[in-house]
Amino acid sequence: ETGVTQTPRHLVMGMTNKKSLKCEQHLGHNAMYWYKQSAKKPLELMFVYSLEERVENNSVPSRFSPECPNSSHLFLHLHTLQPEDSALYLCASSRSGTRDYEQYFGPGTRLTVT
Amino acid sequence: AQKVTQAQTEISVVEKEDVTLDCVYETRDTTYYLFWYKQPPSGELVFLIRRNSFDEQNEISGRYSWNFQKSTSSFNFTITASQVVDSAVYFCALSRGSGGSARQLTFGSGTQLTVLP
Repeated sequence: ETGVTQTPRHLVMGMTNKKSLKCEQHLGHNAMYWYKQSAKKPLELMFVYSLEERVENNSVPSRFSPECPNSSHLFLHLHTLQPEDSALYLCASSRSGTRDYEQYFGPGTRLTVT
Repeated sequence: AQKVTQAQTEISVVEKEDVTLDCVYETRDTTYYLFWYKQPPSGELVFLIRRNSFDEQNEISGRYSWNFQKSTSSFNFTITASQVVDSAVYFCALSRGSGGSARQLTFGSGTQLTVLP
């Protein structure tokens, strides 16, 4: 595997379900990000982890819970979601502490909440 | 606060035409970085270029070229001799040049480019 991978690619869940999105990066990076992309809206940054510590939480509802067990893996735990949470969830990674920190993105998880 | 504006929501061109995607940004920082990403229908954002605020040289990579002008706060992207495979949503983004180990990107709303055969 190379680059940034995300699983599952598609997920349909009911409002009472609990599910998790997984992201894995194979680039040797030490910063990871979750973004939400809704139709006709700019990408919204949700969470940022650097060196496995959460450094940013952009006022995301508590029904979204991130976890970063190590620098290669990032999870987004979902529970009691609302239909408006249906979106493409993108994971990204980058180096930190250097000048070359462009973010590399995974293919995303298309989430539908019914 | 930082802001990126991509005024062109959708552009449609015929193959082999040249096309320019506009990007205007706002920031109070003296050091910042600008980016372009491509999002094909598969969904994955593909990194195209990074530019820092101290380097105003234009860049060319194959059919792609970028024009960075600090005087007008613009970072425009031109595709020469467009091809059908260039059809995608293109995003311009901005980040601060300092203040943290992980840099947050502020994205524009994107421009949907359709290249017709």
